[in-house]
Amino acid sequence: DAGVIQSPRHEVTEMGQEVTLRCKPISGHNSLFWYRQTMMRGLELLIYFNNNVPIDDSGMPEDRFSAKMPNASFSTLKIQPSEPRDSAVYFCASSAQGNTEAFFGQGTRLTVV
Amino acid sequence: AQSVTQPDIHITVSEGASLELRCNYSYGATPYLFWYVQSPGQGLQLLLKYFSGDTLVQGIKGFEAEFKRSQSSFNLRKPSVHWSDAAEYFCAVLPGGGADGLTFGKGTHLIIQP
Repeated sequence: DAGVIQSPRHEVTEMGQEVTLRCKPISGHNSLFWYRQTMMRGLELLIYFNNNVPIDDSGMPEDRFSAKMPNASFSTLKIQPSEPRDSAVYFCASSAQGNTEAFFGQGTRLTVV
Repeated sequence: AQSVTQPDIHITVSEGASLELRCNYSYGATPYLFWYVQSPGQGLQLLLKYFSGDTLVQGIKGFEAEFKRSQSSFNLRKPSVHWSDAAEYFCAVLPGGGADGLTFGKGTHLIIQP
């Protein structure tokens, strides 16, 4: 298996623009997580899905952030409008039913200028 | 809510020397405990995990960790480090039952001196 695949690997955008980050979990995994990593706050859980249903989005910073999982093999994290303070590395991870080990993608480095 | 503390932001160790990275957690019961490693520009890779049973767990790359309930600690150790071990190390907890996402510590940056 290719592992968790995230795209793009790097994204540079201007403040106010919409940004969409994409994630393809490992086939057969039914839980998907979005994390954000910054120097100041470390790794933070933003939202996670179980069987394509959002379970806990309490980590989503504000209404500018939204996440969807239309099917078992694809998820998006959208920021609209983006702000410079959203600059971070965003990780997607997935895990299998009954298995608490989460497998991480290589992340998307977002820079908002 | 659970929390994780990694008291050392940076640690410098000579190649071939032993290593111990500290991790303390706060949680009402025994959580699931993990150590992940992150190389520059990469995602996180699981080194080892503890759920129950033997409190000394073995992981990949020669790492081990010991769960001490009395100290709420889960320290990572390696008897002899290699230059390739230079990376960021994260301790993480998951509430028992595993229904939620991981809570991570802030990480420890490991520097290996030749």
